[in-house]
Amino acid sequence: DQQVKQNSPSLSVQEGRISILNCDYTNSMFDYFLWYKKYPAEGPTFLISISSIKDKNEDGRFTVFLNKSAKHLSLHIVPSQPGDSAVYFCAASSSMGGKLIFGQGTELSVKP
Amino acid sequence: GAVVSQHPSWVICKSGTSVKIECRSLDFQATTMFWYRQFPKQSLMLMATSNEGSKATYEQGVEKDKFLINHASLTLSTLTVTSAHPEDSSFYICSASAGGWGETQYFGPGTRLLVL
Repeated sequence: DQQVKQNSPSLSVQEGRISILNCDYTNSMFDYFLWYKKYPAEGPTFLISISSIKDKNEDGRFTVFLNKSAKHLSLHIVPSQPGDSAVYFCAASSSMGGKLIFGQGTELSVKP
Repeated sequence: GAVVSQHPSWVICKSGTSVKIECRSLDFQATTMFWYRQFPKQSLMLMATSNEGSKATYEQGVEKDKFLINHASLTLSTLTVTSAHPEDSSFYICSASAGGWGETQYFGPGTRLLVL
């Protein structure tokens, strides 16, 4: 049972435009959500997180939106840069003792 | 801050040998360390969770006698793949957290294992 889903395996965006990466979850006990960026043959790098008491968290070009009623979160990158090209994983956990569950990842390609 | 290192970054070994991978948190004390495995084009699969000074908690389907985990200090955890076989070839990634489950995990760069 895939509790965290990233339904788009890939996304291609023009440089300077907005990249929107989506993530859906099924477990209502999840209350902490994270986005990680990963290059091939490297470990994931933490990007941004959000707890369930918020619906938006912004850090520079990166903004994460959380819609609890829809069990959906998204990562917005604006403006997108070629260096943003990587695989992005969303992850979710529960502060009640749950492990970090990762989505399948979305490969973002930002074209110059 | 929040730097996690892994050593070695890649290893090739013969079938039947054991391989040890180290995971270190360089600038913070990691109460909890996690070991993941990633197959090509797939997500990260949690193998086990270790807390300093206690036995690791393994995920369902992960053989604890094959994947030995030791978390001897607040900055070091090791994963030993015993009697490695070609099907153990994978990308192994550790992460460390200063808190418990709900805290942000910081990942190491990963170790590529190839068993011949």
